[in-house]
Amino acid sequence: DIQLTQSPSFLSASVGDRVTITCRASQATIIYLAWYQQKPGKAPNLLIYDASTLQSGVPSRFSGSGSGTDFTLTISSLQPEDFATYYCQEVHKYPALTFGGGTRVEIK
Amino acid sequence: QLQLQESGPGLVKPSETLSLTCSVSGGYISRSTYFWGWIRQPPGKGLEWIGSIFYSGSTNYNPSLKSRVTISVDTSKNQFSLKVNSVTAADTAVYYCATPGSLNSGGLDYWGQGTLVTVSS
Repeated sequence: DIQLTQSPSFLSASVGDRVTITCRASQATIIYLAWYQQKPGKAPNLLIYDASTLQSGVPSRFSGSGSGTDFTLTISSLQPEDFATYYCQEVHKYPALTFGGGTRVEIK
Repeated sequence: QLQLQESGPGLVKPSETLSLTCSVSGGYISRSTYFWGWIRQPPGKGLEWIGSIFYSGSTNYNPSLKSRVTISVDTSKNQFSLKVNSVTAADTAVYYCATPGSLNSGGLDYWGQGTLVTVSS
C-alpha cells in the first residue's frame, strides 16, 4: 500500500505569507493526486486535482505541482479564510484512495 | 449538480453493525462512470478512506478494514450503503460519502455533510 507523508503537520503563518505544503508518496505509481481544504465541522473541499489542475471556483492563489513521489500545494499569499487543515490524497489503483495525515495552517 | 446525504443511526453499541446510507440527488448512480466512496474521520484526526463502489456493484476496500466492511449499491433508490461489522470505540467517527462526479478523476468533488457515529454502550 502507498503511504502519503505530509509536511509540515502544522505551520504558523501570517496573512500575506507564501505557504508551501509537501506530500511525499512511498511509491511512484500514483495515477491521481488531489488537495483538499477542510474547516472545522465541514466536509473537505477539493482545491486541486490531477496534481496541478485548479478546481472551478478555487482562488488562483492556490496551486499544485509535482510528479512521481513528490507533490506540493502552494498558497501564494495567505488570506484570513485560508486558515484550515489541508490534505493530499492519491489514487494509485483506481478507485482505491489514500489520504495524507494533514497539515494544519494557523495564524501566527 | 450532485448532492449527497448520509443517513443512519448516530449511536451504535460495541460489537454491533454500523449501517449508513448515502442518498444521491442531481444525478443517477446507474448512469455514472465514476466511483462512489465512503470516508471517515475520527474526532480530531485525519481522513481515512473506507471503500469505493461503481454502479455495477464492483467494490474496492481499504485493506485495514476489508474484513469488516461491506459497501453495496441500490440503483433503483439511487443510494449506496456502508456496513461495518463488530464495531469498537475506534470506529467512532464522522462518516462521509463522496464522489468525483463528472471530474472522472481521483479527486472527490462532491461530499455529503457527514454524519457522526458514536460507538458506545
